[in-house]
Amino acid sequence: GQNIDQPTEMTATEGAIVQINCTYQTSGFNGLFWYQQHAGEAPTFLSYNVLDGLEEKGRFSSFLSRSKGYSYLLLKELQMKDSASYLCAVHHTGTASKLTFGTGTRLQVTL
Amino acid sequence: DTGVSQDPRHKITKRGQNVTFRCDPISEHNRLYWYRQTLGQGPEFLTYFQNEAQLEKSRLLSDRFSAERPKGSFSTLEIQRTEQGDSAMYLCASSLGVMAGGHEQFFGPGTRLTVL
Repeated sequence: GQNIDQPTEMTATEGAIVQINCTYQTSGFNGLFWYQQHAGEAPTFLSYNVLDGLEEKGRFSSFLSRSKGYSYLLLKELQMKDSASYLCAVHHTGTASKLTFGTGTRLQVTL
Repeated sequence: DTGVSQDPRHKITKRGQNVTFRCDPISEHNRLYWYRQTLGQGPEFLTYFQNEAQLEKSRLLSDRFSAERPKGSFSTLEIQRTEQGDSAMYLCASSLGVMAGGHEQFFGPGTRLTVL
């Protein structure tokens, strides 16, 4: 079976740093995506990790450990506009290369 | 705006009616996906097209659901005899494909279906 776990909700202060964790158990693992989704809108791409290690992209960084089935998304210098759901998604091998999403972490950034 | 469009954005229907949604992917993308998302959950995979061929379907896709991509461009998703449990956001996504180095799936804005 497949299982993807991430916290349901998190709160952080503007200007702070927050880390959103994601653990997964799955077969046919190709890589791991992070998407951002504002309420009522489509998911938008943040990062994609295939190899172990940290990928940095501006204020956002993503880490992957394939052996531990673990990833995290790190958001620095939080802004109010970062309030959204953050979706962790396993990218599967196979013909479809489909994504299996976690339930998402709803991040609330406060003043 | 990711370049993927969906129509309509909202649909309210009565139980038992048929509905059809349309997705226009990014023009050069040969891969097209349909997902369903309910409140508080992540999107769930429904089906996948490579060009005009439907190559994979989820167990979630009952026989009341049918999807087509007749010319390998736009796609339609039809739900027959809708049920209240079909109420959800239906998302379409497209990608270039692995061979072209395009792993990222670009999502459309979704069609929100409400079945009364």
